[in-house]
Amino acid sequence: KNEVEQSPQNLTAQEGEFITINCSYSVGISALHWLQQHPGGGIVSLFMLSSGKKKHGRLIATINIQEKHSSLHITASHPRDSAVYICAGDNYGQNFVFGPGTRLSVLP
Amino acid sequence: DVKVTQSSRYLVKRTGEKVFLECVQDMDHENMFWYRQDPGLGLRLIYFSYDVKMKEKGDIPEGYSVSREKKERFSLILESASTNQTSMYLCASSLQGSYEQYFGPGTRLTVT
Repeated sequence: KNEVEQSPQNLTAQEGEFITINCSYSVGISALHWLQQHPGGGIVSLFMLSSGKKKHGRLIATINIQEKHSSLHITASHPRDSAVYICAGDNYGQNFVFGPGTRLSVLP
Repeated sequence: DVKVTQSSRYLVKRTGEKVFLECVQDMDHENMFWYRQDPGLGLRLIYFSYDVKMKEKGDIPEGYSVSREKKERFSLILESASTNQTSMYLCASSLQGSYEQYFGPGTRLTVT
């Protein structure tokens, strides 16, 4: 069993749909990160959170520490949101434990 | 903006060759990391470094070595490339005490 799991593995949505990607973890972490990887490989950090909820534009990330679960929501999805979304647990800045990623395709 | 660059985007090497992957960051970060990314497995840590000349093994160091002679540069070395090292390699850096890592664009290595 992976220490960080994500669901779904693949997701196809129509433009405008509300999207949810889930992440659950079984290890102790100090923070949970959501990363976005576009075709071509580059990874950018979307959120880092250790409690509650954060919002940036159309993206919302939540975390429930007791349940060891986090979700990434995308409102009013757009084809440019098509990417691989990765959640990662941070072990007090030492290193990350990554989930396998969720491949999102948003169709026009 | 932090910039992390990697020497090549695509690389094709033959089995047995010695391969060098270079990573350079321009923000004076203490920490640097090398990962490989494979379908279904996500990113896995190969090696990391907290300072010049320091290195620590990650989860999958076998078949790899690293070098950090200067703070801004972290090199990954495949002493004798094998086909199972065909993968996407990603470098990252972070400030000491910071939880946020900045990633390079990746090098897609194919070993034939």
